[in-house]
Amino acid sequence: AQKITQTQPGMFVQEKEAVTLDCTYDTSDPSYGLFWYKQPSSGEMIFLIYQGSYDQQNATEGRYSLNFQKARKSANLVISASQLGDSAMYFCAMREGGDSGYSTLTFGKGTMLLVSP
Amino acid sequence: DGGITQSPKYLFRKEGQNVTLSCEQNLNHDAMYWYRQDPGQGLRLIYYSQIVNDFQKGDIAEGYSVSREKKESFPLTVTSAQKNPTAFYLCASSPGVGDPYQETQYFGPGTRLLVL
Repeated sequence: AQKITQTQPGMFVQEKEAVTLDCTYDTSDPSYGLFWYKQPSSGEMIFLIYQGSYDQQNATEGRYSLNFQKARKSANLVISASQLGDSAMYFCAMREGGDSGYSTLTFGKGTMLLVSP
Repeated sequence: DGGITQSPKYLFRKEGQNVTLSCEQNLNHDAMYWYRQDPGQGLRLIYYSQIVNDFQKGDIAEGYSVSREKKESFPLTVTSAQKNPTAFYLCASSPGVGDPYQETQYFGPGTRLLVL
């Protein structure tokens, strides 16, 4: 079973509008973390936002916010006021475990976001 | 400026040849990682290293080898045993254990490997 599922292969949004990118995850570990990365056409992965499983509040970083619904195992990324430069691939990733040592990330297959003028 | 550098940006390999991809970081991070990305796919972990002189296999280690002789450097060798090496390779590093935020991984610009 896939640990990270991104069901939207592509999304379109008009400039200045908000958009939500979906991510669901599967884990039985009580301690985990969820990450979102942006990959523009240049290829570099850019860290956007992090949410820990024990965090009480949804994470926010500027125009990015993470809609964390623990019971539904979803961690959707919300981008407010979209800009042309937001056009890119977006990946959701999960870290399982963690307190006892290093842990690795599992990535979803990504969602391509296109922002139109 | 602190960051992660990867070289070369593009690499061409002939059949049966071993090639080495460079990854250097000056962020003083303990952990380093190598990922492979195929077109339209997410990232898959090849190898990772938590400290110098120690590394662990990831999900797709067959046909690859690594070394970690210095904290700053984590080169990846794609051997002739890797039957389908054409892909985009990304190196990452993270500060270390403890605070979950310390495990955020930061990525280099990547190397595109093409087999001729």
